[in-house]
Amino acid sequence: SAVISQKPSRDICQRGTSLTIQCQVDSQVTMMFWYRQQPGQSLTLIATANQGSEATYESGFVIDKFPISRPNLTFSTLTVSNMSPEDSSIYLCSVCSGSSYNEQFFGPGTRLTVL
Amino acid sequence: AQKVTQAQTEISVVEKEDVTLDCVYETRDTTYYLFWYKQPPSGELVFLIRRNSFDEQNEISGRYSWNFQKSTSSFNFTITASQVVDSAVYFCALKPGTASKLTFGTGTRLQVTL
Repeated sequence: SAVISQKPSRDICQRGTSLTIQCQVDSQVTMMFWYRQQPGQSLTLIATANQGSEATYESGFVIDKFPISRPNLTFSTLTVSNMSPEDSSIYLCSVCSGSSYNEQFFGPGTRLTVL
Repeated sequence: AQKVTQAQTEISVVEKEDVTLDCVYETRDTTYYLFWYKQPPSGELVFLIRRNSFDEQNEISGRYSWNFQKSTSSFNFTITASQVVDSAVYFCALKPGTASKLTFGTGTRLQVTL
């Protein structure tokens, strides 16, 4: 299984600011994803981070709010821009691994609180 | 469209009891994958199992067992002789064979007390 790390593990931010979350994987992976988990809720896919091209966003999520970078096959960043208290969530990086890319693992998450 | 239903929002059991967490899914794909994840209070998502749609064999791993039944579109998870450390939120998830997106259920919070 892939080992995934995220930075920061948690943060408390002021309204209107931006935070960039980093995701590092210990091996090269084709597919990386960013999920959001709002308090007490399930996980929702924000976007697929594509290496060498723009991220693919799910309905309800836009690049201006959640810009994503994927400079190589082991690293990605998610920025939460112009934050509001509604952005308070756990943000999780995820990768597909395994011989048929059907095993999916998650990073430890970044717990974000916006005041 | 894909859908995963975990009807049990919260379950409380006493240690050493057996508990079953239900998961019902909907998909039109003939090839798909089902997952269970555990999310302890610390927040990380721990992978427990992946099952593909062509393999209906039940699986046992220690105190954990999974019952996959395509006829009822269910993939239930049983913990035998539960322990306090099993207290967590458990998520069932579905991924079609042709896509990369995981669709999660709403989760079941399991509380195991002494």
